[in-house]
Amino acid sequence: GAVVSQHPSRVICKSGTSVKIECRSLDFQATTMFWYRQFPKKSLMLMATSNEGSKATYEQGVEKDKFLINHASLTLSTLTVTSAHPEDSSFYICSARAGQQGSGNTIYFGEGSWLTVV
Amino acid sequence: LAKTTQPISMDSYEGQEVNITCSHNNIATNDYITWYQQFPSQGPRFIIQGYKTKVTNEVASLFIPADRKSSTLSLPRVSLSDTAVYYCLVGPVNTGFQKLVFGTGTRLLVSP
Repeated sequence: GAVVSQHPSRVICKSGTSVKIECRSLDFQATTMFWYRQFPKKSLMLMATSNEGSKATYEQGVEKDKFLINHASLTLSTLTVTSAHPEDSSFYICSARAGQQGSGNTIYFGEGSWLTVV
Repeated sequence: LAKTTQPISMDSYEGQEVNITCSHNNIATNDYITWYQQFPSQGPRFIIQGYKTKVTNEVASLFIPADRKSSTLSLPRVSLSDTAVYYCLVGPVNTGFQKLVFGTGTRLLVSP
């Protein structure tokens, strides 16, 4: 099936700094990618929809100035957590839709990225 | 987006067949039903997708009744490695983007 890769898988950063997480579709082009966060033993919470070449669409309650999303190409979307605080520590997951060129209209997920803010 | 309801948890033993049912009473005409599996600290993994009747692949079967208000994921002869959270999602599959909103999922525990 289609492959979505995230990097880094784990990152630790100091409070107040920014950290970038990359999401790549390895064998298909993705005009739309999604970003989720997940707390332990909780379900995934959709944060934003990333559209190639345009601004991301954020879900209600998600600060767009804190969680910067850039979708500069058809295979790469990035999530930057700015001025990170310990409460931003979470598991971040991206996903991308494989269109007709891939494995049908199915959404595939990355491996996830653990962010720990100390 | 259609809301889904699943059991919070299920227990089974190795070798048994497990059926997880999902209710989606407000499913729309162009909605598909997709199931994902998630292990701890990993992204969800696509299991199966269907629109109506029955779909089968190498890992599972998906049964969808005629009214499509529910669906059942069937896992034949589960093993310990099938212990995971299973999510049922409903949404449109078309040429536009598909935004998936996750419900609580079903935590399956397979014991020896």
